Amino acid sequence: AQKITQTQPGMFVQEKEAVTLDCTYDTSDPSYGLFWYKQPSSGEMIFLIYQGSYDQQNATEGRYSLNFQKARKSANLVISASQLGDSAMYFCAMREGGYGGATNKLIFGTGTLLAVQP
Amino acid sequence: DGGITQSPKYLFRKEGQNVTLSCEQNLNHDAMYWYRQDPGQGLRLIYYSQIVNDFQKGDIAEGYSVSREKKESFPLTVTSAQKNPTAFYLCASSRPGNLNTEAFFGQGTRLTVV
Repeated sequence: AQKITQTQPGMFVQEKEAVTLDCTYDTSDPSYGLFWYKQPSSGEMIFLIYQGSYDQQNATEGRYSLNFQKARKSANLVISASQLGDSAMYFCAMREGGYGGATNKLIFGTGTLLAVQP
Repeated sequence: DGGITQSPKYLFRKEGQNVTLSCEQNLNHDAMYWYRQDPGQGLRLIYYSQIVNDFQKGDIAEGYSVSREKKESFPLTVTSAQKNPTAFYLCASSRPGNLNTEAFFGQGTRLTVV
């Protein structure tokens, strides 16, 4: 069954430092997609980055990069040069490929609350 | 502007009453979702719909019902059978068929049972 695990309820990081947020997943489907979202205190969900199971390279989007280790079933988010505005909840999510094409079932982990300190 | 609109932003309900949360999108997305968010439990999938007149139960569907009569609309009814309905509810939509299509979210509805 599909499952996403985020084991870090909260993290602190100093401004301008890099931080890694952990995400492990479980699926029996060889085809899947992994997503990271940011949720500020306002409640909106902001899409950050995507990694496909067949992608050969780790995804990068500006200061965000994804450390994808397929054999370990992990997809950790790395935020470089942290800013005060990065303080938020961060969620890892997964969509499975399915046999007839991508399913639309999208599941999320429990999230990690990141606090950036000046 | 295209997007997803959830209304109302805050909703209060008396125990034992049904209440319907609205979700409308003008992104022309086929797939729509309802999630419930509680502190420490992340987003849990209640129901999702891949196309009009079709929907599937998510992981916590008990006590909830949905309909998908129009592509743009996916209302969620929280029934009196839902034991602990106080939570933050998020609606989302996405284009179907591709693994890499991200979901777009509404601003959420915070439901409080009084």
